Amino acid sequence: EVQLVESGGGLVQPGRSLKLSCAASGFTFSNYYMAWVRQAPKKGLEWVATISTSGSRTYYPDSVKGRFTISRDNAKSSLYLQMNSLKSEDTATYYCARLAGSFDYWGQGVMVTVSS
Amino acid sequence: DIQMTQSPASLSASLGETVTIECRASEDIYSNLAWYQQKPGNSPQLLIYDANSLADGVPSRFSGSGSGTQYSLKINSLQSEDVASYFCQQYNNYRALTFGSGTKLEIK
Repeated sequence: EVQLVESGGGLVQPGRSLKLSCAASGFTFSNYYMAWVRQAPKKGLEWVATISTSGSRTYYPDSVKGRFTISRDNAKSSLYLQMNSLKSEDTATYYCARLAGSFDYWGQGVMVTVSS
Repeated sequence: DIQMTQSPASLSASLGETVTIECRASEDIYSNLAWYQQKPGNSPQLLIYDANSLADGVPSRFSGSGSGTQYSLKINSLQSEDVASYFCQQYNNYRALTFGSGTKLEIK
């Protein structure tokens, strides 16, 4: 059974940093592109970052480019999102998702609140 | 980036009815389109991929269609458990993935 379990969320002040983790199991992690998707409270879904199987290629929307960094450790079947210079508009639930064209599996999500 | 315009924003229908949700892309996405269902308090779940392929375990009352820039999700024989928000998403440009704004479906 495919499982994606996020951790690392919480309350953080504007301008500070936070690192999210996603532990994957039930599939060969190194064979799949992975991604982060977020959802602000009562809002829609926004793609945040994608990483290739080896980690050599990464993609971001303009809203987080230069502030967020996606990475992975295939030996640990783990995905990460380093978030720097956080803003109030980054407040959201962050989902780890497996990419197979579409997002075919999602984690349960982790809440990040950026507030002073 | 490819813009996804989804309609309607909300929808109220009776049990047993058929409902349709539309999604329009700002350019041809060659059927690289998915639909997701998100029930209240839960994470999104894949319903349809490649515009018309049913994901594993999804009831056959859900179907997807379309091509080019126009796509739709149809739910036949609406059930109470279908109360959810639905989102379309294009993956033709895998460097810039985009979602529609969502449709909130309620039972009348």
